[in-house]
Amino acid sequence: QVQLQESGPGLVKPSGTLSLTCAVSGGSINSSNWWSWVRQSPGKGLEWIGEIFHSGSTNYNPSLKSRVTLSVDKSKNRLSLKMSSVTAADTAVYFCVRITAAGDAFDIWGQGTMVTVSS
Amino acid sequence: SSELTQDPAVSVALGQTVRITCQGDSLRSYSASWYQQKPGQAPTLVIYGKNYRPSGIPDRFAGSSSGNTASLTITGAQAEDEADYYCNSRDSSGSHLVFGGGTKLTVL
Repeated sequence: QVQLQESGPGLVKPSGTLSLTCAVSGGSINSSNWWSWVRQSPGKGLEWIGEIFHSGSTNYNPSLKSRVTLSVDKSKNRLSLKMSSVTAADTAVYFCVRITAAGDAFDIWGQGTMVTVSS
Repeated sequence: SSELTQDPAVSVALGQTVRITCQGDSLRSYSASWYQQKPGQAPTLVIYGKNYRPSGIPDRFAGSSSGNTASLTITGAQAEDEADYYCNSRDSSGSHLVFGGGTKLTVL
């Protein structure tokens, strides 16, 4: 059974870069699935950040595209998220998620990792 | 702003049936998926595709769609169904994924 585990700094300074990784276990990142990041600000709804295929193909949320970079490390079976120029508005729980083979649903979620942007 | 619209809150009496809706133009072309999220937990997929339930999801959860509106119906709501529910689909371009704003379900 595929499991996802996010990790990274829990505190990032304003204007800095948020960097998270997601370890994929129980399955290969080279599968037919796309992989995605979703975030949730405290007390708010879910926001899609972007998606990536093992080939490196990506799609990003237009509202975040200029600041976000997704990548895959096939040798380590993990995903990465980098978000630049962060502000307090980027404070959120960040989830790593697998997308179904059909491409339209998030079927496996990591537990999420809380990132706070503060000086 | 979300391209999918949900009612912020819905309530249902224990054992009764409740429908949670999600509206958006992209739903004319793409199926909606539904997620249940309880406090402090990651969301869980409950319905995807036309009306498919992942393994372990009770059959009291069902999905349907008509025009630009997708619905999640819970038949015989249980206390443990009290949660936030989110819909999602591809946007009209097909290149991006979007979520509805979420519906807080209260079981009375």
